[in-house]
Amino acid sequence: DSGVTQTPKHLITATGQRVTLRCSPRSGDLSVYWYQQSLDQGLQFLIQYYNGEERAKGNILERFSAQQFPDLHSELNLSSLELGDSALYFCASSRERQGPYEQYFGPGTRLTVT
Amino acid sequence: AQSVTQLDSHVSVSEGTPVLLRCNYSSSYSPSLFWYVQHPNKGLQLLLKYTSAATLVKGINGFEAEFKKSETSFHLTKPSAHMSDAAEYFCVVSPRGGANNLFFGTGTRLTVIP
Repeated sequence: DSGVTQTPKHLITATGQRVTLRCSPRSGDLSVYWYQQSLDQGLQFLIQYYNGEERAKGNILERFSAQQFPDLHSELNLSSLELGDSALYFCASSRERQGPYEQYFGPGTRLTVT
Repeated sequence: AQSVTQLDSHVSVSEGTPVLLRCNYSSSYSPSLFWYVQHPNKGLQLLLKYTSAATLVKGINGFEAEFKKSETSFHLTKPSAHMSDAAEYFCVVSPRGGANNLFFGTGTRLTVIP
């Protein structure tokens, strides 16, 4: 158990809908990262937050957004969902803002868009 | 730019025989390198990391990796495979001194034959 929690574990929704994925980092970790794992794209970094502020952006679509709250939990919002958004979404956390600190991963949220 | 290439998408070994999972990296900066393991339907777990100290890095569960700058490689090895080692393994690079983004390889699926 990494100490990173993600809810829900599974999510099934229809195209065009909007969903919110939630992540709680390990106690004491200030950085939260979101990743998408799909069969065709592999594991891709989406976005990082540090202590409530956006720190780095990766291959995140404009339809996706994230935020980190004062209690350090983070939410990833996915809107206007398409079939291709079906994937496993991981959250990770680390102690500091920048590397090379290892990241601890949550169990993931499996999103299925039908 | 940072990237990793995992040379084998699938490796199959017999229980008790050595494991070698190959990884080559490309980085504009002196990199940090990691190996993560993902068991079926689980999150990612850190096996080991290299951050410019000793070039031979020991990790959990008997795994180790050697950083070879001249060959830009960071191969993962284990002397004797166990059934529980069957999983997906990811080689990961992070540019040191910059944001803590992780760049994942495409993964190597390890099968252990009894």
